[in-house]
Amino acid sequence: DIQMTQSPSSLSASVGDRVTITCRASQGISSWLAWYQQKPEKAPKSLIYAASSLQSGVPSRFSGSGSGTDFTLTISSLQPEDFATYYCQQYNSYPPTFGPGTKVDIK
Amino acid sequence: QLQLQESGPGLVKPSETLSLTCTVSGGSISSSSYYWGWIRQPPGKGLEWIGSIYYSGSTYYNPSLKSRVTISVDTSKNQFSLKLSSVTAADTAVYYCARRPQSRLVLDYWGQGTLVTVSS
Repeated sequence: DIQMTQSPSSLSASVGDRVTITCRASQGISSWLAWYQQKPEKAPKSLIYAASSLQSGVPSRFSGSGSGTDFTLTISSLQPEDFATYYCQQYNSYPPTFGPGTKVDIK
Repeated sequence: QLQLQESGPGLVKPSETLSLTCTVSGGSISSSSYYWGWIRQPPGKGLEWIGSIYYSGSTYYNPSLKSRVTISVDTSKNQFSLKLSSVTAADTAVYYCARRPQSRLVLDYWGQGTLVTVSS
């Protein structure tokens, strides 16, 4: 299985901050990477697929980049509703695997 | 608007079989454009892809669970189901059903999730 890691595991930020989360794959996955947002007691929500393509309805302050083994999720200006845990997921090969998550909380 | 809703027992005894159903509304499970999947999340932990099914009955199972998992589909009821046999406490988790576009292994619509506890 491809192992996914994320850094940091948690971060504290203020409304308006630019936030960057990193995801790394244990082997190359081209651009087959997705990002999800999960709020407490809620199901994950799909944000980005193919490393940089925004799902319909996702605000443009979210962006993704990267290819191969290193990827980033950037929130350009953090909003109150963005405080959540973010997961990356590779789908280059079976089984699809998720990163351990990055929790973004209020500073 | 597409909605997915999990249902089933919230408590299962060790060694027994966990059974859950996902009812899809606002869309057809028989669409050729989508697969339908199950994912789980142990309390306080990360996400694990269990498996997925196409309306035709074609399935994929995570090898880590393959010997214990069965996913089936009932197109007449617009439902798909999960069975996980020989459960232990390690199978305690929130179980989600979700939709997966045929073109990519990404889950774009999720149910709200249901907590299943394995305990005697």
